[in-house]
Amino acid sequence: NAGVTQTPKFQVLKTGQSMTLQCAQDMNHEYMSWYRQDPGMGLRLIHYSVGAGITDQGEVPNGYNVSRSTTEDFPLRLLSAAPSQTSVYFCASHRNTGELFFGEGSRLTVL
Amino acid sequence: GESVGLHLPTLSVQEGDNSIINCAYSNSASDYFIWYKQESGKGPQFIIDIRSNMDKRQGQRVTVLLNKTVKHLSLQIAATQPGDSAVYFCAEIRGAQKLVFGQGTRLTINP
Repeated sequence: NAGVTQTPKFQVLKTGQSMTLQCAQDMNHEYMSWYRQDPGMGLRLIHYSVGAGITDQGEVPNGYNVSRSTTEDFPLRLLSAAPSQTSVYFCASHRNTGELFFGEGSRLTVL
Repeated sequence: GESVGLHLPTLSVQEGDNSIINCAYSNSASDYFIWYKQESGKGPQFIIDIRSNMDKRQGQRVTVLLNKTVKHLSLQIAATQPGDSAVYFCAEIRGAQKLVFGQGTRLTINP
């Protein structure tokens, strides 16, 4: 099992550009979520999904879109990147417990 | 507002000593808490969890204590080792499997 795989690991964007962070899991988990982590801070929930076709907003959803067409994939889209979106993004998956399995993170810089 | 937070941002201990990391929460309705460990450059990793119907739960070298009266939980690490150096987060589940993380405590082990 690869677990949770995030791509890309690093990305630099210019303000106004769009991009998609990819997340895939091979553990057949029904729950998936995206978090951002800023320096010296904990993780903040952006969006989450409780199953294919079902998504909902977390604490900081503005500027981000998600979709969940399959159990395995949960991409995060930045519609028009802003410097405030410079962060490390983590994708996670889990079953109906608090034991989340995180990817290695995607470090995004917006200039 | 409701929050999950930590008393101290950093903690230094001698190798071999026990470590105690504290966390306060404000949501009286919270009934499920989790501790995560995050090593530098990696995603968080599940350590141990506890439900509100318990006061104490033990794992391998770790113990979590929950005091619902004062809304406080702690993570105790026995015989701290260099590999325990990391940032530790407490988190709570808030409905529909949404995890809310505290800001984290950085644990440093002195040789």
